[in-house]
Amino acid sequence: DGGITQSPKYLFRKEGQNVTLSCEQNLNHDAMYWYRQDPGQGLRLIYYSQIVNDFQKGDIAEGYSVSREKKESFPLTVTSAQKNPTAFYLCASSTWGTPLHFGNGTRLTVT
Amino acid sequence: AQKVTQAQTEISVVEKEDVTLDCVYETRDTTYYLFWYKQPPSGELVFLIRRNSFDEQNEISGRYSWNFQKSTSSFNFTITASQVVDSAVYFCALRGSSNTGKLIFGQGTTLQVKP
Repeated sequence: DGGITQSPKYLFRKEGQNVTLSCEQNLNHDAMYWYRQDPGQGLRLIYYSQIVNDFQKGDIAEGYSVSREKKESFPLTVTSAQKNPTAFYLCASSTWGTPLHFGNGTRLTVT
Repeated sequence: AQKVTQAQTEISVVEKEDVTLDCVYETRDTTYYLFWYKQPPSGELVFLIRRNSFDEQNEISGRYSWNFQKSTSSFNFTITASQVVDSAVYFCALRGSSNTGKLIFGQGTTLQVKP
């Protein structure tokens, strides 16, 4: 079955450490997205990529970085510059004309 | 600027009651799409419906129905005869006419259906 795989489901890090969240899709979708979810704030867009080797900042890109070396993969790195990294992170993909298809999310806790 | 507002933060109903989740949006685009997603406790977002701005027909899918009114910039979602399994966070979202595909989400409404 096609889908989006985010790993791990739960991630714990110490403050000051960079951490990379994995997102893989086998839907052959061109576009991929990273959203952050905080209680009471809905989902906010971090980065998105419409094609391999290209990506754009979303509304809250500061403190994050991404790469898109393969169509199937869009990893997100949460750097030590991100002031409040503890959140639920959702990866999504789509192709033009289709709704966003979401992964199961990674819950990151930084202490 | 584009914006989606879900004014209801939390709603609690008893099973079999009908419940309406409100969604109001803002956009200057003439072509746009509206979506509803459901987020159960497991965390993934499940797509429920997509409407384009030129189609104001109401839609019904089983116990779910959607009322799209451009005149009031609203896209409300009604669950008829609610069930405990409907308990989740529901998000309304907007996609404008740009070809980026990105969605603007509302804050979400947490629905609790009690037995």
